[in-house]
Amino acid sequence: QKEVEQNSGPLSVPEGAIASLNCTYSDRGSQSFFWYRQYSGKSPELIMSIYSNGDKEDGRFTAQLNKASQYVSLLIRDSQPSDSATYLCAVAGGYQKVTFGIGTKLQVIP
Amino acid sequence: EAGVAQSPRYKIIEKRQSVAFWCNPISGHATLYWYQQILGQGPKLLIQFQNNGVVDDSQLPKDRFSAERLKGVDSTLKIQPAKLEDSAVYLCASSLVRGKSYEQYFGPGTRLTVT
Repeated sequence: QKEVEQNSGPLSVPEGAIASLNCTYSDRGSQSFFWYRQYSGKSPELIMSIYSNGDKEDGRFTAQLNKASQYVSLLIRDSQPSDSATYLCAVAGGYQKVTFGIGTKLQVIP
Repeated sequence: EAGVAQSPRYKIIEKRQSVAFWCNPISGHATLYWYQQILGQGPKLLIQFQNNGVVDDSQLPKDRFSAERLKGVDSTLKIQPAKLEDSAVYLCASSLVRGKSYEQYFGPGTRLTVT
């Protein structure tokens, strides 16, 4: 069983729509959860971090965490073509170990 | 604040040759990570340092890969001898550990091609 699972996509959404990206994890002891954006040929860039159950909003981005279901998601409102990238879910468990998912490729269609 | 620096940005070598990568983390960041990212996959942790000490190197192929962190700051990752399957982007990241937060900041990466 993979420790952090994401659908590789591509997820295609029209410009202006809400993009919903999902991630599940296997370690119930996980404490910290991150979303990174990675443009083609570039390195990952941290866009959201969440540590408690519920929602965390930052501009057009909302991260949602449900520890009981071992599920974390990222919503992107008013999607723009510049949001087209691969979104990596990362989960930190014990001993500071951070595990990344495979990433979901998002395509925003103008 | 300067970001994570890495060099070289690109490297092409033949199989069985050796190669070394260098990383300078963000000033004050105690934790340093080396990742291998193969095209189409997420970053895979190779080794994690906390100051000078190794926290996790369970996925480092120790027969050919080695890494060190000098005086708790700069780090080098070496591959000797390289294999074709080592072709990947090698990412260095650093973090300032605060409580449960392990927010990582990545350098630009080194793209390695082994022919």
